[in-house]
Amino acid sequence: DTGVSQDPRHKITKRGQNVTFRCDPISEHNRLYWYRQTLGQGPEFLTYFQNEAQLEKSRLLSDRFSAERPKGSFSTLEIQRTEQGDSAMYLCASSARSSTDTQYFGPGTRLTVL
Amino acid sequence: AQTVTQSQPEMSVQEAETVTLSCTYDTSENNYYLFWYKQPPSRQMILVIRQEAYKQQNATENRFSVNFQKAAKSFSLKISDSQLGDTAMYFCAFMKPDNAGNMLTFGGGTRLMVKP
Repeated sequence: DTGVSQDPRHKITKRGQNVTFRCDPISEHNRLYWYRQTLGQGPEFLTYFQNEAQLEKSRLLSDRFSAERPKGSFSTLEIQRTEQGDSAMYLCASSARSSTDTQYFGPGTRLTVL
Repeated sequence: AQTVTQSQPEMSVQEAETVTLSCTYDTSENNYYLFWYKQPPSRQMILVIRQEAYKQQNATENRFSVNFQKAAKSFSLKISDSQLGDTAMYFCAFMKPDNAGNMLTFGGGTRLMVKP
C-alpha cells in the first residue's frame, strides 16, 4: 500500500493555458475524490468517482474543469483557460468500497497561475 | 447542506501540555461521521481520529481523544502530552454516508503551534 500519489506536485502556468493533473489512488480503492484548497482554508469538494463513473460534481466545478477516471484506476483533472483564481492546492483522496470508509489524501498539486 | 465551524484560527501550547481544539457543525442528518485531519506544514493531510454519530462512546487514538456532544453538535479534539510534531493545521470534517457521493465538508482549520 503506497498511498495516494499525485503528479505533478507543483505547476506554474500562465493565464489562459490548460493544465492537467493526475491522481493515483490506493490500490483497490474504488472511490476517488478531488478537492480544492486555497491558502489558509479548508478543502472544498469538487467531484467524486465510483469506479469510472463520475457520480457527483460541485457547482465549484465550472465548465472549464473536467475530470476523468477512464479505467476506474487513476484519475485526471484538467483545467482549461486557467485564471488567476484557479491558483490553489488540488487534493485527491481515495476510499474503499463502502460509503462509510475513511478517505485518504494525496500530497496535492499546487497550482500557481501567473 | 452541512456546515462546519472551527472558531479558533490559531492556538499554541507548550510541549507536554494538553490542548483542546473546538469544532461545531450544523446538520439535519442523524447518521453521519466526523473526522479530525492533521495537515503538517508542506505535508499531506492525514487522519487523526474518526467518530461515528451513532456511537455514544468518544473515540480515542493514543494521545488524541474527542468530546462528541451530538445534541450540541460539538466535536472537540483533545491532544494530551503535546509534542513538537503535533504542530500543524487541524481540520474538522463532516461526512454523510451516501453511495452517490460521501464527500467531506471541512471547517476552516485551526493552526496549532507546539512550543518547546
